[in-house]
Amino acid sequence: SYVLTQPPSVSVAPGQTASITCGGNNIVRKSVHWYQQRPGQAPVLVVFDDRDRPSGIPERFSGSHSGNTATLTITRVEVGDEADYYCQVWDTSTDHWVFGGGTKVTVL
Amino acid sequence: QVQLQESGPGLVKPSETLSLTCTVSGSSVTSFFWNWIRQPPGKGLQWIGHIYDSGTTNYNPSLTSRVTMSVDTSKSHFSLRLTSVTAADTAIYYCAAGGYSGHHSWGQGTLVTVSS
Repeated sequence: SYVLTQPPSVSVAPGQTASITCGGNNIVRKSVHWYQQRPGQAPVLVVFDDRDRPSGIPERFSGSHSGNTATLTITRVEVGDEADYYCQVWDTSTDHWVFGGGTKVTVL
Repeated sequence: QVQLQESGPGLVKPSETLSLTCTVSGSSVTSFFWNWIRQPPGKGLQWIGHIYDSGTTNYNPSLTSRVTMSVDTSKSHFSLRLTSVTAADTAIYYCAAGGYSGHHSWGQGTLVTVSS
C-alpha cells in the first residue's frame, strides 16, 4: 500500500518559515491534503488539493509538490502554529485514504 | 457549515463490539463521504473507512474484516461497528465529512478505551 513519510519534528523561531515535507512515490501525481492538529483538538484541514486553502485559513499556509515530495510551508510562524501536521492522499490502487505519520512543529 | 458529533460508550471490554454514532447537522447526509478516523493515544491518524449515502463503503484493508459502517439518512447520522476489539483499538475516534478534496469537517472526537 501507499506510504507517506514525514519528519517527526520541525523546530522554528517565531517570524521565520517552517517547511514540512511529505514523501511518497510519485506523489506529484496525487492530490495532497494537509491537516493541523493542535493539542487536545480535532484536526483541521489547512490545505487541500496540493495548494488550495479552505476559507478562514491564513495565506501564511501554502502547499506545493514535485516529484516524490509534497511540502507544507508556513511563513511568519506564530506561537499558535505549534501543532502536529499531517499529510494525506487518496490511494487509488486500494481505494483508501492514507495519512503520513505526522510532524510536530515546535515554535522556539 | 457541517457539524458532527460522535457518541457512544467510552469503555468497551476486550473481544466485544465497539459501536459509535456520528450525528450530522447543517448538511444532509446525502452529500459527501462520511468518514471514521481514529488516533491511539500519543500516535498518528488512521483512516478506518467511509460510507456514502448510497451505502457504498470503503474500509482500511487492515481493519476491513472487523468493520461495518452504516448510514441513516432519515435520522442524519452514520455509524461504526468494530468487532472483536483489543487494547490496540483504544483510541480517540473521529467522524469527518468530505470528498476527494480532504475532510473539511470533523467531530470533536470521542475516547474509547478497551479494557476489562
